[in-house]
Amino acid sequence: EDKVVQSPLSLVVHEGDTVTLNCSYEVTNFRSLLWYKQEKKAPTFLFMLTSSGIEKKSGRLSSILDKKELFSILNITATQTGDSAIYLCAVRPNFNKFYFGSGTKLNVKP
Amino acid sequence: NAGVTQTPKFQVLKTGQSMTLQCAQDMNHNSMYWYRQDPGMGLRLIYYSASEGTTDKGEVPNGYNVSRLNKREFSLRLESAAPSQTSVYFCASSESSNNEQFFGPGTRLTVL
Repeated sequence: EDKVVQSPLSLVVHEGDTVTLNCSYEVTNFRSLLWYKQEKKAPTFLFMLTSSGIEKKSGRLSSILDKKELFSILNITATQTGDSAIYLCAVRPNFNKFYFGSGTKLNVKP
Repeated sequence: NAGVTQTPKFQVLKTGQSMTLQCAQDMNHNSMYWYRQDPGMGLRLIYYSASEGTTDKGEVPNGYNVSRLNKREFSLRLESAAPSQTSVYFCASSESSNNEQFFGPGTRLTVL
């Protein structure tokens, strides 16, 4: 059975801290892994990863994929209160299916 | 450019009632999706449409039907609502190749 597991389920940090969110997966086929940020409403896209070892970076956020060990991490450095959200990981086994993890709820305190 | 739009934003139904959730996208995407999101369970795929005229079941299709009316619109119908269908429903779209999904704002549905 295909599944995506995220850890931790929730995390509380203070502004300026660095956090690492984890996503492990088991799927019968693999095309890509995606990270989304969900605040009050719809998830918004952060990164898409298809190859191992290549870091994707956007400002204070970065992500990397390990296809051998079947996991990805999302790093956020110098966290801000605006980073508080649920971070979702999804794996795309084929063109038209996405399996989502249950998310990591990040709370950044001032 | 509105992206993905959904109507209604909120809905309360009684058990056994029917309703249709509407979704439209203006990005000329081929693929469209319906998800439900329940606390602690992430997003689960209900149905998807790879292209106009085709639909397929996802992880949790029971109790739902869909229609891909044209390239822009993809609707989700609950024929006889049940309390277990209380959830937040998201519509999404993507290019048919290996691209990310864009999500609508969601519909919060409560079935009493």
